[in-house]
This record gives sequence, C-alpha cells and structure tokens, in this order.
Amino acid sequence: DIVMTQSPDSLAVSLGERATIHCKSSQSLLHSSNKKNHLAWYQQKPGQPPQLLIYWASTRESGVPDRFRGSGSGTDFTLTISSLQAEDVAVYYCQQYYSTLNSFGQGTTLEIK
Amino acid sequence: QLQLQESGPGLVKPSETLSLTCSLSGGSITSSTYYWGWIRQPPGKGLEWIGSIYYSGRTYYNSSLKSRVTISVDTSKNQLSLKLSSVTTADTAVYYCTRGRRDGYNLYYFDYWGQGTLVTVSS
Repeated sequence: DIVMTQSPDSLAVSLGERATIHCKSSQSLLHSSNKKNHLAWYQQKPGQPPQLLIYWASTRESGVPDRFRGSGSGTDFTLTISSLQAEDVAVYYCQQYYSTLNSFGQGTTLEIK
Repeated sequence: QLQLQESGPGLVKPSETLSLTCSLSGGSITSSTYYWGWIRQPPGKGLEWIGSIYYSGRTYYNSSLKSRVTISVDTSKNQLSLKLSSVTTADTAVYYCTRGRRDGYNLYYFDYWGQGTLVTVSS
C-alpha cells in the first residue's frame, strides 16, 4: 500500500503570510498512462466534512481561491497558501489515487500565529 | 445539486455489525462519470479510506479492513451501503459517504462528501 506522510503536523502562520505544507508518498504518483500526478489536497474546517481543494497535484477545484497552489511531482508535493486568511484555518490532507486503494496523509493543522 | 445523506444507528455494540446507508439525491448512482466511497474519521484523528465501488458492483477495500467490510449499491433506491462486521471501540468514527470522479476503470479524487454520521461502538 502507498503511504502518505505530511509535514509538519501543525503550523502557525501570521495573517497575510505564506503557509507551506508538504506531502511525501512512498512511491511515485506520476502515472505513465496520462503523465499526471495522482494526488489531491483537501481542506477540513472544524465540524465540517473535507472539501476538495486541488487535484492532479496542481489543478484547483472550481471556486477555490487562487491563493491556494499545489505543486510537485513524483513523490514530493507541496500545498502553498500565498497569503493566509482567517478562513483558511483548517486541517489539510493530501490523498493519493494512483492506486485504487486510496490513502491519505495524517493531516496538517494550520493555525493563525 | 447533489446531496449525500448518511443514515444508520449511532450506537453499535462491540462484536456486532455496523450498517450504514447513503442516499443520493440530485444525481444517479449509475453515472459513468463517478464512483462512490466510504471514508471514516475517528474523533480528533485523520481520514481513513474504507472502500470504493462503482455501479457495476466492482469494489475495492482498505487492506486493513477488507475481511470485515462489504460495500454495495442499490440502484433501484439510488443508495450506497456499508457493512462493517465484528466492530470494536476502534471503529468509533464519523463515517462519510463520498463521490469520486472516474474515467472507465480509473478511479480518481473525491469531489463531494456527505456531512458524515457519528457511529459509536460501546456496550
């Protein structure tokens, strides 16, 4: 099974500053059939279900603000929030769908400093 | 607007079978564009994928739960179901019904989640 590891586990950033979350997979998520990285990012606010933010490692879901950017390829990926807003306080998860046996990272808690 | 509504007992006794249903409205479970999944989240912890299915009945299960899990669809009722047998307190969690994008047999990211239902395993 593919293991997803996020870092850090928690992060405190000042409003307006950049937040960066990392996700590493135990094997490459770059699929030869479509040349795409099979990785998604989700945001979960307190008391709510997760919401899809980014898929194919860097494609923003409709309605997601452009301050959210996904990058990376192969086994190393990054979610960057360019200018942190108060409403971005949440837990962020990466997920691989390279394998039909999905798996998630352990989550990164993002707070305001 | 798609709605996914999970339902089922909120309390299950240890060693019994947890049974949940997810009712779809605003969409069809037989869609060729989507597949369906169950994901759970123990209180204060992260997300754990349980399993996925598409309407033909093909299923995929988490290796750690495979021996206890059954996921099925009822196309006549536009419902998805989850059964988890021999539960223990470690199965206490919020259980989410999800929709995933697919392309043929290729299963991709989850683009829609239900609100989730808390199931507590306790005697």
